[in-house]
Amino acid sequence: GQQLNQSPQSMFIQEGEDVSMNCTSSSIFNTWLWYKQDPGEGPVLLIALYKAGELTSNGRLTAQFGITRKDSFLNISASIPSDVGIYFCAGQLSGRDDKIIFGKGTRLHILP
Amino acid sequence: EPEVTQTPSHQVTQMGQEVILRCVPISNHLYFYWYRQILGQKVEFLVSFYNNEISEKSEIFDDQFSVERPDGSNFTLKIRSTKLEDSAMYFCASSTLSGTYTDTQYFGPGTRLTVL
Repeated sequence: GQQLNQSPQSMFIQEGEDVSMNCTSSSIFNTWLWYKQDPGEGPVLLIALYKAGELTSNGRLTAQFGITRKDSFLNISASIPSDVGIYFCAGQLSGRDDKIIFGKGTRLHILP
Repeated sequence: EPEVTQTPSHQVTQMGQEVILRCVPISNHLYFYWYRQILGQKVEFLVSFYNNEISEKSEIFDDQFSVERPDGSNFTLKIRSTKLEDSAMYFCASSTLSGTYTDTQYFGPGTRLTVL
């Protein structure tokens, strides 16, 4: 089945640093999504990308949908303690009612 | 802000028992989903449901699983005879139409199922 390769698996950064994580796929996706999951909670949508090449921001978060529709990155600027958590990239192959295929996640740790 | 709710938050059951996990999707949503996440792993799709029938299901969603929308507000996942490997977080999600497109899926907080 379709798989998303997400990297890095985990990151340890200092508070205030910028963060970058990315996702690649062997399949073309029509939609790329970035979710954050806090311990014991469900995934929360951060950014949705619908067009190849699209660059979208949500506060300190910026994400881009790759031109080839096979990759995406998420940047977090000036990290703060509440950014700690697991970030999942995810994609949908066809319509937005299609199942979401998740990557394995990037666990972000912030050092004081 | 409307949100998806799930009950119970934690369910412990004996192997072989039936469990029903409950979800209340966002009220104007039309598309419903179940996903699961085994501890420490990625979130995996189980089933999608629209217009009172299953739209798509994954290999995980075998004959032991069933879904139902018994009334206008609840969406349930039943596991007939639980196995140890069914232990996981189960997430419900829902989405609706936004113009000509369906909106993104919003996830509930999950039910942690522990099978002993």
